[in-house]
Amino acid sequence: ILNVEQSPQSLHVQEGDSTNFTCSFPSSNFYALHWYRWETAKSPEALFVMTLNGDEKKKGRISATLNTKEGYSYLYIKGSQPEDSATYLCAFAGGTSYGKLTFGQGTILTVHP
Amino acid sequence: DTAVSQTPKYLVTQMGNDKSIKCEQNLGHDTMYWYKQDSKKFLKIMFSYNNKELIINETVPNRFSPKSPDKAHLNLHINSLELGDSAVYFCASSRSTGGWGQPQHFGDGTRLSIL
Repeated sequence: ILNVEQSPQSLHVQEGDSTNFTCSFPSSNFYALHWYRWETAKSPEALFVMTLNGDEKKKGRISATLNTKEGYSYLYIKGSQPEDSATYLCAFAGGTSYGKLTFGQGTILTVHP
Repeated sequence: DTAVSQTPKYLVTQMGNDKSIKCEQNLGHDTMYWYKQDSKKFLKIMFSYNNKELIINETVPNRFSPKSPDKAHLNLHINSLELGDSAVYFCASSRSTGGWGQPQHFGDGTRLSIL
């Protein structure tokens, strides 16, 4: 059973704060690490797919880093806005089950105006 | 235009009934998936099809049967519904086999409630 863990489970920040959260995943048989944003009453939306150790991706105020040797990825949000409030999911692709994504439980971010 | 659409959005039915959930994608993707969101809110893969061929079949009761008439559609049929089947089911699609290097695009989910 693959373990993908996200921390913290939930986070409350004030508008304008910068924040970050963590995804831990198996460090062996790695292929890709996905990040998704999931707003209430909507469907998960892809943010990044990262495949290389040391990879950094950026989309507006959101960025992510990847360390495949130690099995973690960070997601950063700079200058949080209320519209950033959502659940952020990471998903690990790898192991022995070809084609399968294993999702973490998510970090619920609430940005207060 | 909705990229991945599921119907119905809500399904309330009695234990023992048979029901289907439909999924269609207009993205031209060749791989489609069904996920179940469990009671702890995890998204867990159930099935995946690539070009109408089954490629992932997780440990799911055989009361659940996926059907892919073409690569744009993946339907989920559930026989003899049980209370434990109550959950939100999500359909997704991606460009290449398994979605490893490609992001997955999700539908809005179908909330199934068994009475």
